[in-house]
Amino acid sequence: IQLTQSPSLLSASVGDRVTLSCKGSQNINNYLAWYQQKLGEAPKLLIYNTNSLQTGIPSRFSGSGSGTDYTLTISSLQPEDVATYFCYQYNNGLTFGSGTKLEIK
Amino acid sequence: EVQLVESGGGLVQPGRSLKLSCAASGFTFSDYAMAWVRQAPKKGLEWVATIIYDGSSTYYRDSVKGRFTISRDNAKSTLYLQMDSLRSEDTATYYCARRATLFDYWGQGVMVTVSS
Repeated sequence: IQLTQSPSLLSASVGDRVTLSCKGSQNINNYLAWYQQKLGEAPKLLIYNTNSLQTGIPSRFSGSGSGTDYTLTISSLQPEDVATYFCYQYNNGLTFGSGTKLEIK
Repeated sequence: EVQLVESGGGLVQPGRSLKLSCAASGFTFSDYAMAWVRQAPKKGLEWVATIIYDGSSTYYRDSVKGRFTISRDNAKSTLYLQMDSLRSEDTATYYCARRATLFDYWGQGVMVTVSS
């Protein structure tokens, strides 16, 4: 399964509601996760099974979607959210999206 | 606190070998499957290999099958990746990660550069 993330680069202001998109080439059956990778750091699991928040992750992060289309939403963007976000499917094989780089405007 | 610390990376010539290690602490290592995931410079993430909790089953991406071997020593809480016949396209940061498919903790990564 191929994953296409959009946009590849997103610039937003602190406090904005931000939405990142991930589209699969086939049905992912909700086996979709989101990772955050800050510069020079290892990826961190944010969301799994489409909408389950990993322990310790702030509640401003949420996930939704079904079938082939999935979304990560940050309800109120914070400066520490600057990072690249990868979607990841584990329904059929294991594949990551190419990432969305999130910047502060 | 879960900690995963990789070591063994470096510069290696094409066709040569390298062995990576990942020392685990903060959890019962023998209870968990483990995996290696890599990231080429300025590129996305790519799953490489997985080993189940007792080492009895292993899984690889096609491009490394027959060249890479994942293994573990539960007595030492250590994961390994033996990489043979290395190619330039294997150049990447290699991360060890906990769990077979949904990677919940990752190490900081170790750089492997394959170049003459």
